[in-house]
Amino acid sequence: NAGVMQNPRHLVRRRGQEARLRCSPMKGHSHVYWYRQLPEEGLKFMVYLQKENIIDESGMPKERFSAEFPKEGPSILRIQQVVRGDSAAYFCASSGSYEQYFGPGTRLTVT
Amino acid sequence: RKEVEQDPGPFNVPEGATVAFNCTYSNSASQSFFWYRQDCRKEPKLLMSVYSSGNEDGRFTAQLNRASQYISLLIRDSKLSDSATYLCVVNIGSSNTGKLIFGQGTTLQVKP
Repeated sequence: NAGVMQNPRHLVRRRGQEARLRCSPMKGHSHVYWYRQLPEEGLKFMVYLQKENIIDESGMPKERFSAEFPKEGPSILRIQQVVRGDSAAYFCASSGSYEQYFGPGTRLTVT
Repeated sequence: RKEVEQDPGPFNVPEGATVAFNCTYSNSASQSFFWYRQDCRKEPKLLMSVYSSGNEDGRFTAQLNRASQYISLLIRDSKLSDSATYLCVVNIGSSNTGKLIFGQGTTLQVKP
């Protein structure tokens, strides 16, 4: 039973480029969440999605960040025009009806 | 005031010791509570959910006091492999799905 899958595991982007992070939830899970962990900080909620719907995006920065969970395929977190401050670990989690399980994360480095 | 507060530690204990972590949360509407562990800033792994009646899983015991908005985790007979950061986590949504709020974590180092 595969867990939550994320790719790529490591991503290097130059300032101004776009970053696309992918997340495939655990089989049978319909809820997807994205969290960010900045260096030396705790995990912070970004967005909660179900298929084709954004349920809660209260943690998303107002600009440059977007997320989707299409009917087919993985959830995508997109960061446009990346800046150095976007360097962080981005974790995806999925849940059925209760507990959230995390993927291995994507470590984004902006140079 | 932070939504979830933990003593960051570090807690340095010898193998076999009993250690307790505490956590407070500010939102009285919080629905569900968890302890996760995180090793070397890898993905958080669910350790246990925390129920009002308290629950135990092997060497680990979790307690919840809704009136005081306080959660605890007790680890008995500590092992070297218990060394990690323990995250107190609260779901403040109106249902059991929804965003998790993480404490900063308490670091545990178990020494031989």
